[in-house]
Amino acid sequence: GQNIDQPTEMTATEGAIVQINCTYQTSGFNGLFWYQQHAGEAPTFLSYNVLDGLEEKGRFSSFLSRSKGYSYLLLKELQMKDSASYLCAVRDGDYKLSFGAGTTVTVRA
Amino acid sequence: ETGVTQTPRHLVMGMTNKKSLKCEQHLGHNAMYWYKQSAKKPLELMFVYNFKEQTENNSVPSRFSPECPNSSHLFLHLHTLQPEDSALYLCASSKEDGSSGANVLTFGAGSRLTVL
Repeated sequence: GQNIDQPTEMTATEGAIVQINCTYQTSGFNGLFWYQQHAGEAPTFLSYNVLDGLEEKGRFSSFLSRSKGYSYLLLKELQMKDSASYLCAVRDGDYKLSFGAGTTVTVRA
Repeated sequence: ETGVTQTPRHLVMGMTNKKSLKCEQHLGHNAMYWYKQSAKKPLELMFVYNFKEQTENNSVPSRFSPECPNSSHLFLHLHTLQPEDSALYLCASSKEDGSSGANVLTFGAGSRLTVL
């Protein structure tokens, strides 16, 4: 099966930077996604990486290294509303999407 | 609102009950999915439908029965469930066009199921 690992929880202060790492071992690779899920709400799409490098979208950036099976999501200038669960998901060689268990980020004032 | 609507948002049922979860998408997508989300566990894919045809059944017990009457509606019929089936059930949709592009999933807010 596919193996996707990310930390369970992270805590940071408002205005700070937090980096959420995701490592994966899959049979083939066709892209990596990050989703944000607030408690009681739908997961929403944040970013997609299929080539190595950094994708920047405002305060959020996502990085991918395919050779290392590694990605991170960088959240800058943290705001209280960024407190949520962040899900890493990998599409394998058969285009099947597998999710990690999610990282709960708590932003403190 | 994401464009994917799930009802009911909360459901409590006994092990002998029969109930159904409903999902509707207004995005013009052709693929629809059921996922199970349990605390501290990865999302588990249950079923996939593409143009109303079931393309994936991820070894899901027969007490879960999906139905997809058209590309906009998806149901999950529940019968004689077990307490360990208590979880958040998420519906999602996407536009699958056979390309290698992003094909982003759009999720509903989920139906929180409790089996007593």
